[in-house]
Amino acid sequence: IAGITQAPTSQILAAGRRMTLRCTQDMRHNAMYWYRQDLGLGLRLIHYSNTAGTTGKGEVPDGYSVSRANTDDFPLTLASAVPSQTSVYFCASSAGTSGSDTQYFGPGTRLTVL
Amino acid sequence: GEDVEQSLFLSVREGDSSVINCTYTDSSSTYLYWYKQEPGAGLQLLTYIFSNMDMKQDQRLTVLLNKKDKHLSLRIADTQTGDSAIYFCAETAKNYGGSQGNLIFGKGTKLSVKP
Repeated sequence: IAGITQAPTSQILAAGRRMTLRCTQDMRHNAMYWYRQDLGLGLRLIHYSNTAGTTGKGEVPDGYSVSRANTDDFPLTLASAVPSQTSVYFCASSAGTSGSDTQYFGPGTRLTVL
Repeated sequence: GEDVEQSLFLSVREGDSSVINCTYTDSSSTYLYWYKQEPGAGLQLLTYIFSNMDMKQDQRLTVLLNKKDKHLSLRIADTQTGDSAIYFCAETAKNYGGSQGNLIFGKGTKLSVKP
């Protein structure tokens, strides 16, 4: 069982380019999340999806979009990357949206926007 | 708004106990969590405590919750070099989607264990 996989592992991107970060889970979890981690700021929620077909905005959604066409995949798209989006991006999933549902994290994607 | 605060650094000697502290703002949080992040890796849930509990013990880990002061602590007994990592406190974030599943994280406490 792989759990959660993210791709790419790292990427350097020119400002203005479009980029999609991929996230796939094989646990049949209903809920999925995208966070960004920045030094001194901890993790901040970008977007979430409580179940396939639905998405919602987190704390820092501007400049990002997501889709949840099926249970397993939750891609994060940067339509026109800017240097402030340089960060480490973590995808996570949980079986449900109860507070007792553990969030499992992927290994992260390190993105640098020049 | 919701906020979670924790000190950024903690240094201890191997074999000592480590205590990592956290304060949170949302008194209605049902669950509070401790996550561990090792270098170059994602976050891993260490433990969580339900808000009607004062204490939870799991092997070397003890979580204490003071709801009145909105204070959460994680004690690691007999700290080992393998415990060196960043530890994140988190509370449920009702502002996003109204569910209990979304989390607000603190900035993380970097624990350094000296041999």
